[in-house]
Amino acid sequence: KAGVTQTPRYLIKTRGQQVTLSCSPISGHRSVSWYQQTPGQGLQFLFEYFSETQRNKGNFPGRFSGRQFSNSRSEMNVSTLELGDSALYLCASSRGGTGGIGQYFGPGTRLTVT
Amino acid sequence: QQQVKQSPQSLIVQKGGISIINCAYENTAFDYFPWYQQFPGKGPALLIAIRPDVSEKKEGRFTISFNKSAKQFSLHIMDSQPGDSATYFCAASGGSSNTGKLIFGQGTTLQVKP
Repeated sequence: KAGVTQTPRYLIKTRGQQVTLSCSPISGHRSVSWYQQTPGQGLQFLFEYFSETQRNKGNFPGRFSGRQFSNSRSEMNVSTLELGDSALYLCASSRGGTGGIGQYFGPGTRLTVT
Repeated sequence: QQQVKQSPQSLIVQKGGISIINCAYENTAFDYFPWYQQFPGKGPALLIAIRPDVSEKKEGRFTISFNKSAKQFSLHIMDSQPGDSATYFCAASGGSSNTGKLIFGQGTTLQVKP
């Protein structure tokens, strides 16, 4: 079974621009969660989608948004990029229970903001 | 209340030795405790997970020990190998506010010396 895929793997953007990252979950998984990983803050939860609905959201500004499509693929968007948004963005898919059970991560998208 | 505290931050073990990483939590609503292994340039990989109704779970060389009364859990890697050198994260989930969300510890960098 294919794993979670994320595109692109690497991105370099300029401050003020916006970016869209994509995540394709494991076949049959209906939940997609997004995390930001930085050396200073570690792994922090951004939001989770299940059946095209956002069920949970972390403590990030409104510049961070996401959506999920009917095939469970998900995208996240960051508008008005700041230098501090440089991070590894990870998505994880699961069958979709109420907790974080059985989350499998993709390889991540490394975003660098200059 | 939502934090998971992980120690040590780094660990050096000789090949064949036992690696032990500890985590503590406060939120008694947590009911799922996974461990993830991350290699440089990769996403975290789910290693092993436990629920609070058991005190120990073993999968190959990896064992989780769980102490519900102390609100602590630990990962033991038996017969540690150089290929185990990676960053390990504990995590927790559960409770109505944590749908689709894992709360991660800060990570432990393990180096296994040959």
